[in-house]
Amino acid sequence: DAGVTQSPTHLIKTRGQHVTLRCSPISGHKSVSWYQQVLGQGPQFIFQYYEKEERGRGNFPDRFSARQFPNYSSELNVNALLLGDSALYLCASSFGGPETQYFGPGTRLLVL
Amino acid sequence: GENVEQHPSTLSVQEGDSAVIKCTYSDSASNYFPWYKQELGKRPQLIIDIRSNVGEKKDQRIAVTLNKTAKHFSLHITETQPEDSAVYFCAASKRRNTPLVFGKGTRLSVIA
Repeated sequence: DAGVTQSPTHLIKTRGQHVTLRCSPISGHKSVSWYQQVLGQGPQFIFQYYEKEERGRGNFPDRFSARQFPNYSSELNVNALLLGDSALYLCASSFGGPETQYFGPGTRLLVL
Repeated sequence: GENVEQHPSTLSVQEGDSAVIKCTYSDSASNYFPWYKQELGKRPQLIIDIRSNVGEKKDQRIAVTLNKTAKHFSLHITETQPEDSAVYFCAASKRRNTPLVFGKGTRLSVIA
């Protein structure tokens, strides 16, 4: 049984560019959440989607957006990248809400 | 909003000794408390969780206790082994449609 998958695993961008990160949840899971983890810190909540609807948004600027597709996979988009956006971006899936979230391997983004 | 404080930030124990990590939370409505283990360069992995209707939960060498009155919960690892070395994160959330709020993590080193 496959776990949460994310792509790409690593990404290098320059300031001002945009990036799209992808996530496929565990089969049967309908909720996807995105977190940003800066080195040495705990994950910070960005978005939660359930049944293709946004159910929560963290304290991140409008440069961050996301969506969930009919197959429950999800994309996180970040526009106008800043150096401070360098982080590990984690996707977590759960069956129907925030409980018992299982994390993917993450996408490590470096902004130069 | 919810705020989760985690202590200590680093912890070194001798192999075979016990390790205890403590977290406090601010929102009395929080009722789900998971613990994640994150090894270097890897995803956070759920190791144990507890819900507010339970005071203690054990899984082999790992146990979690919850004191709702004091709004704190703790992770106990007994008979520590070198492979327990990792960063441990506590988190809290309400039941539905709210994100996990993480502590800043505890770096546990088990010295052989």
